[in-house]
Amino acid sequence: GNSVTQMEGPVTLSEEAFLTINCTYTATGYPSLFWYVQYPGEGLQLLLKATKADDKGSNKGFEATYRKETTSFHLEKGSVQVSDSAVYFCALSDSTGGFKTIFGAGTRLFVKA
Amino acid sequence: EAGVTQSPTHLIKTRGQQATLRCSPISGHTSVYWYQQALGLGLQFLLWYDEGEERNRGNFPPRFSGRQFPNYSSELNVNALELEDSALYLCASSLALRKGRISGYTFGSGTRLTVV
Repeated sequence: GNSVTQMEGPVTLSEEAFLTINCTYTATGYPSLFWYVQYPGEGLQLLLKATKADDKGSNKGFEATYRKETTSFHLEKGSVQVSDSAVYFCALSDSTGGFKTIFGAGTRLFVKA
Repeated sequence: EAGVTQSPTHLIKTRGQQATLRCSPISGHTSVYWYQQALGLGLQFLLWYDEGEERNRGNFPPRFSGRQFPNYSSELNVNALELEDSALYLCASSLALRKGRISGYTFGSGTRLTVV
């Protein structure tokens, strides 16, 4: 079945540091890939997405590239801010999974001023 | 435009009771999804409704059930509550499938269910 594996947290960075959160997936079909962000006390928000191999999703300085050869969708940001502190979820959806979205376990990011 | 709204925001129930959680999707969204987020854990898929019908179900016992109304709002019912049902229950909606793919979910803020 489909699955998503992302790096365990928490990840603690200083402001303006470079961020990478690793995400790999297993899927029998050709999934769409997503990153969601959850700020404290809130629901999840869609951060970015990619629907086919080599697509790059980007939003708010974050980006991730759909790598079919390595089945990966790593999240990166060149310079993090304190306001980026949140939990980040990698996710996939495809027809073989009945179009439900499968989420990774989440990675908590703390950014220190 | 109103987002996905969930009610109530908090719910405290006693073991063995029933809980009813409600969700209103974004206008124009016909699909509603329910997820359970237990403390310290990721999101576990519960149910997917589209056009009033249950389309898919996660690995949860039958005491977790729901329905979708003609206006596309949805209700999640949990019967015979157990302590381990304590969690944040998130509802999400999406546009109808296009070319076999979804555009991503819009989530509500969730209902925090506590079973004592």
